[in-house]
Amino acid sequence: DADVTQTPRNRITKTGKRIMLECSQTKGHDRMYWYRQDPGLGLRLIYYSFDVKDINKGEISDGYSVSRQAQAKFSLSLESAIPNQTALYFCATSDLAGQRRTDTQYFGPGTRLTVL
Amino acid sequence: KQEVTQIPAALSVPEGENLVLNCSFTDSAIYNLQWFRQDPGKGLTSLLLIQSSQREQTSGRLNASLDKSSGRSTLYIAASQPGDSATYLCAVLNTGGFKTIFGAGTRLFVKA
Repeated sequence: DADVTQTPRNRITKTGKRIMLECSQTKGHDRMYWYRQDPGLGLRLIYYSFDVKDINKGEISDGYSVSRQAQAKFSLSLESAIPNQTALYFCATSDLAGQRRTDTQYFGPGTRLTVL
Repeated sequence: KQEVTQIPAALSVPEGENLVLNCSFTDSAIYNLQWFRQDPGKGLTSLLLIQSSQREQTSGRLNASLDKSSGRSTLYIAASQPGDSATYLCAVLNTGGFKTIFGAGTRLFVKA
């Protein structure tokens, strides 16, 4: 079984709809992240969470919200989807592992979201 | 503000060739630099992570170097194979902000 899973894997929706993307991990990591990837722009950080009670905005948080329901679960919501939110969304986890510099990130398979 | 640039954006080489992918970053205050591989429609797989105190890391046919003073990293792939075809991304973890900044990637195609 994959260590980091995302559901759904693909989603087509219409402008104005509310969408939730879910992420679960079995790695036992404390840190979780949501990124979006657009062609030619690399990955950009939307939100990140260092533990269940800690939520932080990333570079492009406008139009998005998150919930850290448990250490293993981190969901991303689009309250009212718009076409320029069409992108590939990735969840990632990492763990300090006792040393800050070994903060390796592990990624889920991604969710392809299309907003019409 | 940290910026990460990868050149070239795309590269096509014949099988067996040794190649170098380049990554540059504007702020040398980093904790680490990580190279990832991404296959089409898939997630990212970590290849190598270089800590700020290190100069290079090796894994099999891959060797990554880091020169913080010049803001550069290279990923060397020896004896390339068609299975190496993918997009390669570099990412830096900044000090203080705990945010990872990604480059846009280099799309590699290895011809059989």
